[in-house]
Amino acid sequence: AQSVTQLGSHVSVSEGALVLLRCNYSSSVPPYLFWYVQYPNQGLQLLLKYTSAATLVKGINGFEAEFKKSETSFHLTKPSAHMSDAAEYFCAVSDLPGNEKLTFGTGTRLTIIP
Amino acid sequence: GAGVSQSPRYKVAKRGQDVALRCDPISGHVSLFWYQQALGQGPEFLTYFQNEAQLDKSGLPSDRFFAERPEGSVSTLKIQRTQQEDSAVYLCASSIGSLGNEQYFGPGTRLTVT
Repeated sequence: AQSVTQLGSHVSVSEGALVLLRCNYSSSVPPYLFWYVQYPNQGLQLLLKYTSAATLVKGINGFEAEFKKSETSFHLTKPSAHMSDAAEYFCAVSDLPGNEKLTFGTGTRLTIIP
Repeated sequence: GAGVSQSPRYKVAKRGQDVALRCDPISGHVSLFWYQQALGQGPEFLTYFQNEAQLDKSGLPSDRFFAERPEGSVSTLKIQRTQQEDSAVYLCASSIGSLGNEQYFGPGTRLTVT
């Protein structure tokens, strides 16, 4: 069964600093991997996804993630944090043939320090 | 708007009451998903439809939970005899129906059982 581990339930970075949110997955087959962002009282919005086309994936709002099979990781990065990046971030995996359901991590709350 | 809508946005139920939560997916989306998100946790899969067929209901926590999508569009999640542990945000998502495609999430229904 697939699973996702997000290291660090809370991450704080200064405005303008590098953002690094960690995600490791467990999957017995090549997975589809996703990063979603959730703002307060809103639904989840897709930031980016990996579907085997390229290991470095660029998403919205300047975020990107790199799929590393050897490390079973899909960490999310942004070179320079902005105040508007403060939100909850979820990594998710989908790998069951014929089944699109997502398995989510427990989330990382990102705080931006002015 | 053209997004996923859910109603009601907030629901307070007394323990033992039945509740029904509605999801209107994006028009033309084949797949529809329900997730449960407890406070401070990531969303957890409940059930999945492709058109009107319920392909996976493995995440429904008990036989008090029932979901339907009779015409392959609007879906209803029903919880009978609500318990306090059912308090959570219930998220609905839809997609065009292929593996690896984005799931578009609604704003959720926050259920509080007193």
